[in-house]
Amino acid sequence: GNSVTQMEGPVTLSEEAFLTINCTYTATGYPSLFWYVQYPGEGLQLLLKATKADDKGSNKGFEATYRKETTSFHLEKGSVQVSDSAVYFCAVDNYGQNFVFGPGTRLSVLP
Amino acid sequence: DADVTQTPRNRITKTGKRIMLECSQTKGHDRMYWYRQDPGLGLRLIYYSFDVKDINKGEISDGYSVSRQAQAKFSLSLESAIPNQTALYFCATSEQGAGNQPQHFGDGTRLSIL
Repeated sequence: GNSVTQMEGPVTLSEEAFLTINCTYTATGYPSLFWYVQYPGEGLQLLLKATKADDKGSNKGFEATYRKETTSFHLEKGSVQVSDSAVYFCAVDNYGQNFVFGPGTRLSVLP
Repeated sequence: DADVTQTPRNRITKTGKRIMLECSQTKGHDRMYWYRQDPGLGLRLIYYSFDVKDINKGEISDGYSVSRQAQAKFSLSLESAIPNQTALYFCATSEQGAGNQPQHFGDGTRLSIL
């Protein structure tokens, strides 16, 4: 089955720092890849997605590129803000039948 | 109004009690899911349903049951609750598709079993 590995947190950064959260996956075929964000007291929200190799998903200054050769989908942001403090989940899905989430990475951004 | 609504938002109950968590959606999606979230374990799939007549077990279905009463409603039951079922529970929905459809989540139900 599918699996997702994320870098362990928590990650603590100062405002305007560069962010990378690593994600690697195991899946058969041609899965779709997702990043979700969870703010305190809320459910998960889709942040970005990529559906085929070399696609780049982007939203709110965050980016991730689907790298099939390294089975990776690392999340990056050039300049984080305090409001980006949340838990970030990487996820993989095959044809809507095997949606698997990583364990999540907690990000804290200090002013 | 929320597109995916979970009730109750919080529940405290005792070991051995029967509990039902409810989920309703206004997104018109065919697919619905129940997950539990535990610290450090991410989300684990309990059950999922691809339409009203379809129910499938997920990774951790033991001790749980579900009912898909309508396209818009999907409830999760704990027949005899035990303390290790204390967790945050999420309902999600998605459209049918070729695997590139994201899931849309409710705000969760925090369940504590004493």
